Amino acid sequence: QSALTQPASVSGSPGQSITISCTGTNIGIDKYVSWYQHRPGKAPKLMIYDVAHRPSGVSDRFSGSKSGNTASLTISGLQAEDEADYYCTSYAITATVLFGGGTKLTVL
Amino acid sequence: QVQLVQSGAEVKKPGASVKVSCKAPDNSFSNYGFSWVRQAPGQGLEWMGWVSAHTGYTSYAQNVRGRVTMTTDTSTTTAYMELRSLRPDDTAVYYCSRSTSIAIGTDVWGQGTPVTVSS
Repeated sequence: QSALTQPASVSGSPGQSITISCTGTNIGIDKYVSWYQHRPGKAPKLMIYDVAHRPSGVSDRFSGSKSGNTASLTISGLQAEDEADYYCTSYAITATVLFGGGTKLTVL
Repeated sequence: QVQLVQSGAEVKKPGASVKVSCKAPDNSFSNYGFSWVRQAPGQGLEWMGWVSAHTGYTSYAQNVRGRVTMTTDTSTTTAYMELRSLRPDDTAVYYCSRSTSIAIGTDVWGQGTPVTVSS
């Protein structure tokens, strides 16, 4: 059982915006929260690092934020290609990394 | 885009060990550390641990600590993950990734190595 809680699934129509939350007591003190996109049979892809920074090449439709013990990934202008599983990660004071349970995004 | 190259699929019996390799580019190998992440069928991603190629420092997830050893070989620029006393629930795809510290996110991953544990 993950110490980071994500909704099991979210959905949205093309063009809409969706937000995926990631809640955990560790989030509030962690400046290294990351978000990954994962498709079956592929390696995870980094979408957000250090809470709100976007790697080069990632669409600016993806944004990250944090408030208290909850981090959020927002995808605006939803596209069919965004359909995937999304995971948050957080660095714990035990010098380990936690993964959220994952959220399945469905584009309707 | 930097890519890591992992060893091929493995099939093991319960109680056996498996050692997965992860070949990295030669440049600045010792400047990085390597994480290992796995995904069991129908499950989410699970962080297993991290090893520094510079110091050999390791950090392991609690649920595999005592059964896992992560190492690096600077002469071949390869990282290794050995898991012992395999159980059927260790069946998963195992991924390696490279980063400059244990905490930060990374965009450099291997292609994944399926490991099946079955009698």
